[in-house]
Amino acid sequence: SQELEQSPQSLIVQEGKNLTINCTSSKTLYGLYWYKQKYGEGLIFLMMLQKGGEEKSHEKITAKLDEKKQQSSLHITASQPSHAGIYLCGADRSGGSNYKLTFGKGTLLTVNP
Amino acid sequence: DTAVSQTPKYLVTQMGNDKSIKCEQNLGHDTMYWYKQDSKKFLKIMFSYNNKELIINETVPNRFSPKSPDKAHLNLHINSLELGDSAVYFCASSQEWISGNTIYFGEGSWLTVV
Repeated sequence: SQELEQSPQSLIVQEGKNLTINCTSSKTLYGLYWYKQKYGEGLIFLMMLQKGGEEKSHEKITAKLDEKKQQSSLHITASQPSHAGIYLCGADRSGGSNYKLTFGKGTLLTVNP
Repeated sequence: DTAVSQTPKYLVTQMGNDKSIKCEQNLGHDTMYWYKQDSKKFLKIMFSYNNKELIINETVPNRFSPKSPDKAHLNLHINSLELGDSAVYFCASSQEWISGNTIYFGEGSWLTVV
């Protein structure tokens, strides 16, 4: 079974609308990373969350990690066409060395002008 | 300047061939990775190296052989290519191989095996 679930799988919104993408882990995380992928541009790092209840913002994007460190949400305010792409959450379960990220299947975001 | 760069960006090759993808990072990081993104967009780790030493090998077929000549480079060589090897391969790096280190990805290499 998939240990890291992202929802929704895809999302179409009108420009200017707010949206939320969720990432849920079946296990407690040591860290949660959000990336954005656009075709031909690789993965762009957005934010990292490590502490329970932590919240970070950058421009119009806010990411939160719940107190149990098993669920994160990514919220975009007043979406723009430039926000379109695939959003991936990456989970750090290593808690030390042998560090790696395990990714969800991604959320495809389309923003219509 | 691109922090993590990989070449080639696109590669089309026939089954049975041997090919290599090169990766270089100019961030001064100690740890480098190869990830594979399959046709369903599922991104999964293949290898990680720390200071030229193999740390993680996620049960990847031994047709895949990473080589790290120095800590700024991690190349991926694939022997006897199969149709199922078609995917996007991402190189990445982080300062250290412990939790809390952001992993930075390259732009990907699109491999198509025909």
